[in-house]
Amino acid sequence: GAVVSQHPSWVICKSGTSVKIECRSLDFQATTMFWYRQFPKQSLMLMATSNEGSKATYEQGVEKDKFLINHASLTLSTLTVTSAHPEDSSFYICSAREMRLAGGAAKNIQYFGAGTRLSVL
Amino acid sequence: KNEVEQSPQNLTAQEGEFITINCSYSVGISALHWLQQHPGGGIVSLFMLSSGKKKHGRLIATINIQEKHSSLHITASHPRDSAVYICAVRFGDTGNQFYFGTGTSLTVIP
Repeated sequence: GAVVSQHPSWVICKSGTSVKIECRSLDFQATTMFWYRQFPKQSLMLMATSNEGSKATYEQGVEKDKFLINHASLTLSTLTVTSAHPEDSSFYICSAREMRLAGGAAKNIQYFGAGTRLSVL
Repeated sequence: KNEVEQSPQNLTAQEGEFITINCSYSVGISALHWLQQHPGGGIVSLFMLSSGKKKHGRLIATINIQEKHSSLHITASHPRDSAVYICAVRFGDTGNQFYFGTGTSLTVIP
């Protein structure tokens, strides 16, 4: 079945550095990808919606200059945490949407990546 | 307001017990996922449902569209089932965005 690959699964970085997280759809084309963040013991929260070839749409309270999203191809979206600080330490998850024709109807199916744990020292 | 509620929040079970985790939501949905999050954080998608029932090994997921309710069942539970189980719902009126329950933390004791 369709799989979303997220890399890396775990990253530790120094405060002030930038970290890039990749989200790939492995056997389907994803025109839309979503980035979520999860703080300890909390639910996942949507950060931004990424559409291939256009600018990402950010949720209220999410700094677009800090969390740079690039969706340059139909199988890859990247999230770059710029000038990371300890408060950015979190679990970041992507999901990718596949639009598929099934039985004559368009089906909207989303798949989740395994997530990336970011620890900023 | 779109809401997703899960119960229980925490669950401890003896190995071998039958486990049920519930998810209720407020408005009509287009899709519901059950996710498993391991202690290290990694997420595994267990089921994707829009109607009926699905089974995979010892896991069974059901959804009742009329009652706006889904359940995840684990038969013959095992310590390796210990994880946080999250219900994720895509509402029909919003289309794209998933809303997540707060999760159920399951601990299975040998």
